[in-house]
Amino acid sequence: DQQVKQNSPSLSVQEGRISILNCDYTNSMFDYFLWYKKYPAEGPTFLISISSIKDKNEDGRFTVFLNKSAKHLSLHIVPSQPGDSAVYFCAASAKMRWGKLQFGAGTQVVVTP
Amino acid sequence: ETGVTQSPTHLIKTRGQQVTLRCSSQSGHNTVSWYQQALGQGPQFIFQYYREEENGRGNFPPRFSGLQFPNYSSELNVNALELDDSALYLCASSSRDRGLDTQYFGPGTRLTVL
Repeated sequence: DQQVKQNSPSLSVQEGRISILNCDYTNSMFDYFLWYKKYPAEGPTFLISISSIKDKNEDGRFTVFLNKSAKHLSLHIVPSQPGDSAVYFCAASAKMRWGKLQFGAGTQVVVTP
Repeated sequence: ETGVTQSPTHLIKTRGQQVTLRCSSQSGHNTVSWYQQALGQGPQFIFQYYREEENGRGNFPPRFSGLQFPNYSSELNVNALELDDSALYLCASSSRDRGLDTQYFGPGTRLTVL
């Protein structure tokens, strides 16, 4: 069963605008959430994370929001840049299963000039 | 660039054969996790090794097995290959005391089963 879902397989956004990527989860045991970025022929690279005790975390152009009651998180990228074009994965970890991540299917982001 | 390397980069096998994939871990990391990423999907957790012991397994059959060595590098072995085993195999190196944000993925091994 898919416990982490990214329902938008692709997103196209203009350079300078905001990119919003969404992720839903079903397992209430998840207590840590991460976003990864992946370029072709490379492994996923860590972008930003959030603990379940927070509802927002910012790092430069990237902000992650967590809505625990809705089991929903989102990643905002502002402003979007051409180098942001990649596949973005949402992942979740449960305290009792440290490091054993459940990933969503990914969202392909294309930033156009 | 992370210190996690994987070999080989690409591999072509036929059904029924066996394959061994290798992963080096980042210096200072004692945990290696393996993932299978099929085309168009997210990585799926196979298993994790912590200090040379298997420490959790995903929904994969026993023909998927692994090892971790004293230097914390790791191998993934797959026996009796099936067509559906064609995927990108990723390993991730981490250390519990450094947190998940410092878990680093290797570039992957692309396995094709014909």
